[in-house]
Formats: sequence, C-alpha cells, structure tokens
Amino acid sequence: EAGVAQSPRYKIIEKRQSVAFWCNPISGHATLYWYQQILGQGPKLLIQFQNNGVVDDSQLPKDRFSAERLKGVDSTLKIQPAKLEDSAVYLCASSLGGGYRAQYFGPGTRLTVT
Amino acid sequence: GQQVMQIPQYQHVQEGEDFTTYCNSSTTLSNIQWYKQRPGGHPVFLIQLVKSGEVKKQKRLTFQFGEAKKNSSLHITATQTTDVGTYFCAGPDNFNKFYFGSGTKLNVKP
Repeated sequence: EAGVAQSPRYKIIEKRQSVAFWCNPISGHATLYWYQQILGQGPKLLIQFQNNGVVDDSQLPKDRFSAERLKGVDSTLKIQPAKLEDSAVYLCASSLGGGYRAQYFGPGTRLTVT
Repeated sequence: GQQVMQIPQYQHVQEGEDFTTYCNSSTTLSNIQWYKQRPGGHPVFLIQLVKSGEVKKQKRLTFQFGEAKKNSSLHITATQTTDVGTYFCAGPDNFNKFYFGSGTKLNVKP
C-alpha cells in the first residue's frame, strides 16, 4: 500500500512570495490533515478535511493560508504572501476517519522563508 | 485554549534504562494517540487508547490512559538505541478538535 505522498520536499522562497504544497493521501482515506511543525515543537493542525468538506480550520491563518481538496482526494495548501515565521515543515496526514482514527503522515515539505 | 503538555521535554538515558513520558491535557480527550518521530522523519502512529483507565502494551512499551481522560503516559522498559526520537501524545477534545502534545525527546546512549 502506497503511503501519503507530498511534494515538493524542500522549498526556499523570499518573504512576500507565494508557495504551494501538494498532498496525495492513502487511497480510500476520507480524512486529510495539514499540519505546521516548527522546529522543536509538536505539529499544529491547520486544517482538516472530511472528503472535500472542511471539518476544522480554526488554526489556519486565513489572511494568508488557503487549502482545498476539490475532488475529495489530493489537496493543496497555499501561502500567499509568505512571512519569515512561516518557516517550518508542512506535514500532510490521512486517516480512514476523523479524530478517532490513526493518522498516517507523509514525509513533509520543509519550507524556508528568507 | 486547549493545551497538551508533556514532561519531561528532554530525557537522556543509558541503554537498558527505563523511560517514561507524561502527557497532560487541560481538557478531556475523547481518546489518546501516541506517535514517534525519528530525527528528520515524520510522526509514526504507535497506538490509540479510548477507554478511561485503559492500559495497552506493545513489547517493551506500556501505554496508560488516565481515569479522567486528561492524562496519559508512555513507559519504555530497557531502552534501546532504536528508541531514539520524539514521542508525542495527541487526541481530539470533546469538540473533535485535534491537538498534539509538546513532545518528549528521548536520547539513548549506547
């Protein structure tokens, strides 16, 4: 069974630029999560999708971050414009169900904003 | 807001010694999950506990969920160098919002 795929693995941009990350979850997993993990901290949930609907985006900075999962499968997370404090690893995870199920993580995208 | 704290933040042990990390939530969690993240890697699911007072074992690892469903612990017996990593607890609160703990970084000296 293929795991969660993410691209790119690394990205370096200047502040005020835009960036997009892509995630393809495990086949059949209805729930998809995007997390931000700053070095030395635990992952922080940005947004949770159930199929193509948003379950929770309470911690997503909506003035600059957006995410979509149009067909209920893969997803993109966008930052526009980026700030220095957005430097982090962006992790995508998927699960069969919501918060009651095990989450399977992709390798992450390491973003550096200069 | 919701907080999930873990102690200790760091733990250095000699191979063969035991290790315990404690997880404390400011609110009740519907269930507790534990993840391990190796240096440079991504979190990997270890186990899920659902019932109040539940105890589960996986070889040298013992997981407990507190009676009030606000705390949990992970105990590793006779650590090995392969246990190196950061251990996170995580879970949904009663509003189905999911939180990760602050993590405990374990280093094992051979």
